[in-house]
Amino acid sequence: ETGVTQSPTHLIKTRGQQVTLRCSSQSGHNTVSWYQQALGQGPQFIFQYYREEENGRGNFPPRFSGLQFPNYSSELNVNALELDDSALYLCASSSQLAGPEQYFGPGTRLTVT
Amino acid sequence: AQSVTQLDSHVSVSEGTPVLLRCNYSSSYSPSLFWYVQHPNKGLQLLLKYTSAATLVKGINGFEAEFKKSETSFHLTKPSAHMSDAAEYFCVVREYQSGTYKYIFGTGTRLKVLA
Repeated sequence: ETGVTQSPTHLIKTRGQQVTLRCSSQSGHNTVSWYQQALGQGPQFIFQYYREEENGRGNFPPRFSGLQFPNYSSELNVNALELDDSALYLCASSSQLAGPEQYFGPGTRLTVT
Repeated sequence: AQSVTQLDSHVSVSEGTPVLLRCNYSSSYSPSLFWYVQHPNKGLQLLLKYTSAATLVKGINGFEAEFKKSETSFHLTKPSAHMSDAAEYFCVVREYQSGTYKYIFGTGTRLKVLA
């Protein structure tokens, strides 16, 4: 069974730029959620994708967007980067058939300068 | 709406002594509750979960948690701390909202294990 993978592991961007982060879900999981974890904080829910549709969103502006592909992998896109977007971005996969828990990837550390 | 409160931001214990990390939740429904651990610069690993079955839940690495509905608590315990337990621990409640499940994280408890 393959776990959740994310790429890249680290990324440095300049304010105003755009970034795309990628996530491959655990085998058999059809739901992907994205979280932002600022330094010293708990993860904050950004949004969730199920069957290629966004079906839940946290308190994040529209410049945070995403996609889910037929193989259930997912992308998180952030436009017009701000300094406060510097954080660890975590992807989690789950499946109602497998149980209520989510399984997390190692994260992508984004630094905005 | 559901929420979760971790009562201690930092906990220090000596190696070989018991660990207690406290978590309280608020919920209108019968909740699903989880504990995750995060080692430095790593993702989150599931320790254990409660889903309305047995109230005493056993997890990995010797951790367990007890769901107490009357106290709205889900405290994490371990009989004997090991140096490798030093990490950040998150209590999580799953909330059904607007047609989907969302996971609400506590603010975390940093566990320090002293030699």
